[in-house]
Amino acid sequence: KAGVTQTPRYLIKTRGQQVTLSCSPISGHRSVSWYQQTPGQGLQFLFEYFSETQRNKGNFPGRFSGRQFSNSRSEMNVSTLELGDSALYLCASSPRGLAGEGSYNEQFFGPGTRLTVL
Amino acid sequence: QKEVEQNSGPLSVPEGAIASLNCTYSDRGSQSFFWYRQYSGKSPELIMSIYSNGDKEDGRFTAQLNKASQYVSLLIRDSQPSDSATYLCAVYAYSGAGSYQLTFGKGTKLSVIP
Repeated sequence: KAGVTQTPRYLIKTRGQQVTLSCSPISGHRSVSWYQQTPGQGLQFLFEYFSETQRNKGNFPGRFSGRQFSNSRSEMNVSTLELGDSALYLCASSPRGLAGEGSYNEQFFGPGTRLTVL
Repeated sequence: QKEVEQNSGPLSVPEGAIASLNCTYSDRGSQSFFWYRQYSGKSPELIMSIYSNGDKEDGRFTAQLNKASQYVSLLIRDSQPSDSATYLCAVYAYSGAGSYQLTFGKGTKLSVIP
């Protein structure tokens, strides 16, 4: 079974621009979560999409947004880029995802997109 | 703010020894616990999940959970140089405002010396 794929793998942007990252989950998985990883803050949760709806959200500003399509593929958009947005952006695929109390929610990560903001 | 704490290391163990990695978490309502391994320049890879108190074994790996002490650990028996990586502890819990999330520790760097 193919794993999680993310495109592009590397991206260089300048401050003020916007960027869109893409994630294709494992076949049959309906949940896609997005994370930001930096050396200082570690892995931080951005949001989760399930059946085309944002179901859970972390503590990031509104410049970070996402969407999910009917085939479960997801995109993440960052507008008005700041230097501090330079990071590895990871998406994680899960059969049921962050489905509330009592759920089993193993997540499988893609290779990530390395974003550099100049 | 939900917190997951890990010793950043590096933790150095000789080849063939037992490596013990520890993690504490602040939210008593946490429900599921995971260990991920991350090699340098790669994405995290799930190696263990544990949902109830006690031990769970999978090959050379044993996860231990003590919800009363809010403590989860990972033991790696017969450590190999290929186990050298950063190990991330992740905790699933309600985060407020109707949301659930997986909160990660910053990881413990393990180095297995041949």
